[in-house]
Amino acid sequence: NAGVTQTPKFQVLKTGQSMTLQCAQDMNHEYMSWYRQDPGMGLRLIHYSVGAGITDQGEVPNGYNVSRSTTEDFPLRLLSAAPSQTSVYFCASSSLADSYEQYFGPGTRLTVT
Amino acid sequence: GDSVTQMEGPVTLSEEAFLTINCTYTATGYPSLFWYVQYPGEGLQLLLKATKADDKGSNKGFEATYRKETTSFHLEKGSVQVSDSAVYFCALSDHGSGYALNFGKGTSLLVTP
Repeated sequence: NAGVTQTPKFQVLKTGQSMTLQCAQDMNHEYMSWYRQDPGMGLRLIHYSVGAGITDQGEVPNGYNVSRSTTEDFPLRLLSAAPSQTSVYFCASSSLADSYEQYFGPGTRLTVT
Repeated sequence: GDSVTQMEGPVTLSEEAFLTINCTYTATGYPSLFWYVQYPGEGLQLLLKATKADDKGSNKGFEATYRKETTSFHLEKGSVQVSDSAVYFCALSDHGSGYALNFGKGTSLLVTP
């Protein structure tokens, strides 16, 4: 049981490039979410999903797309990277069975130059 | 919308001192409340949680009680150790955003020998 996995661990992009941050969970959790962590800002919700095929926007969705074609995977796409997207990104999953306790992945540190 | 406010840091304590980190929340429903901890260079770990009013969460000597009348969830520990040095995040979740978390900005704690 690997829990929540994220790849890559580190990434450097140039402004305007696109990329996908991968997130997968093997706990059959119905809920998944993406957060970004910036100094002094805590963690802010980007997008979330309540099940396969269902996604919705969080607090800071601009510049990001998500999809949820399977229960296990919830990739985050940066369409055209900007320096303001330099951050640490965390994926999390949760389930009613665990009282919606969020299980976090190890994070991806992204730098946009 | 829902929000979490926690005391700003950094907080510096001597080993064996008493710790309180204040957290208050606003929410329209009946959220679950959490404390997460982030050690330097690591991801987030759940420290404790409470899912309804008057519940007390506890773990590793830390405690917090869900107080609906004061909308608070203050974190306490009777005797801190150097190994408790970390950033502590208060958070709430409810059904409004797929039970994703709404975080406070975090409180940095440094415990000195």
